[in-house]
Amino acid sequence: GQSLEQPSEVTAVEGAIVQINCTYQTSGFYGLSWYQQHDGGAPTFLSYNALDGLEETGRFSSFLSRSDSYGYLLLQELQMKDSASYFCAVRDQAAGNKLTFGGGTRVLVKP
Amino acid sequence: EPEVTQTPSHQVTQMGQEVILRCVPISNHLYFYWYRQILGQKVEFLVSFYNNEISEKSEIFDDQFSVERPDGSNFTLKIRSTKLEDSAMYFCASSGLSGNTIYFGEGSWLTVV
Repeated sequence: GQSLEQPSEVTAVEGAIVQINCTYQTSGFYGLSWYQQHDGGAPTFLSYNALDGLEETGRFSSFLSRSDSYGYLLLQELQMKDSASYFCAVRDQAAGNKLTFGGGTRVLVKP
Repeated sequence: EPEVTQTPSHQVTQMGQEVILRCVPISNHLYFYWYRQILGQKVEFLVSFYNNEISEKSEIFDDQFSVERPDGSNFTLKIRSTKLEDSAMYFCASSGLSGNTIYFGEGSWLTVV
């Protein structure tokens, strides 16, 4: 079956750095995405990694190691508005573009 | 910025009733999706739709569910006979052909009583 593991909750202070790890076991792999979701809101796309390495987009970076079935999302210079849930999601097949989501990591940023 | 829009934002329905959730995907996108999220749980894939047919569906998407693109802009999810466990937030999403970036709508919150 498909499984994605990520921590359930992380707490940090403003200005800090947070790393959210995601390990996956899926029948196929075409890429790892990260989404942010504020309470009551829609998942918002943050990043997509298909190849090994680090992708940087502003304060957020995402890393993938296909050989380790592992990725992480790095949140830098944390701001209060970054308090949200963060989901990793695997695209596990070529057809259908289906995403399988992890359980989400709730990030709480404190002043 | 283009966005996926969904209606209604919230619907309460009685068990056994039919529900239609509507979505307008981003205009130049080719793939359309429905996902659902039960309160406090992860987002779950229901179905993807491409070239006027279902491309992939999950085991959740059983015979009580159907999707349709009735015209050039709308994409609908019909639940034929709702059950209590269908209560969830239903997200419509769309993407280009590659599917690398999937854009979600704000969701339709369905409450079955």
